[in-house]
Amino acid sequence: DQQVKQNSPSLSVQEGRISILNCDYTNSMFDYFLWYKKYPAEGPTFLISISSIKDKNEDGRFTVFLNKSAKHLSLHIVPSQPGDSAVYFCAASAHGSGNTGKLIFGQGTTLQVKP
Amino acid sequence: KAGVTQTPRYLIKTRGQQVTLSCSPISGHRSVSWYQQTPGQGLQFLFEYFSETQRNKGNFPGRFSGRQFSNSRSEMNVSTLELGDSALYLCASSLFGQGTSNEQFFGPGTRLTVL
Repeated sequence: DQQVKQNSPSLSVQEGRISILNCDYTNSMFDYFLWYKKYPAEGPTFLISISSIKDKNEDGRFTVFLNKSAKHLSLHIVPSQPGDSAVYFCAASAHGSGNTGKLIFGQGTTLQVKP
Repeated sequence: KAGVTQTPRYLIKTRGQQVTLSCSPISGHRSVSWYQQTPGQGLQFLFEYFSETQRNKGNFPGRFSGRQFSNSRSEMNVSTLELGDSALYLCASSLFGQGTSNEQFFGPGTRLTVL
């Protein structure tokens, strides 16, 4: 039962254009969502997060949109740079004693930004 | 502020042996979570510790255990190693491991190879 899904294993965009990475979830109890970037042989690096009480959060070139009715979130990177090439993970967490410290991750999307 | 550190970075063990991995969280962070990353299963939650207590546990056999010390440093132990335990083990720390305080910061990971 995969509660967080990233249906696109890979995405290729041209430098300077927008990258849009998508994520769907099934558990309506999720109330906090995060995006991470990961390079090979390194741990995930936190990028941006959004609480379920918001529908948008922006940090520099990164914007996350949350559509609760569709159980969908997306990460927009504008403009895309070659250094953004990495694997991007969507993660979700829920409140409650059985969910402390636990993030549920999607399978990841490999982004390639071409110069 | 120093990030999350993990030691050792690489380990090679044989089946049946046991292994201990160490994690030092970001200063001030009290919650430490552990994850296993494999190509087939992605990032899977192992367990979370807070104030020296295991608060949450994922769906892994009892061979996987951990502990947390009074300075929030954590260790995880895997006994009777199996070939399938070969993975990248990631430690993450957060302030309190709940809600928007579940913003987790990851260490570089320990690459465990079981022969």
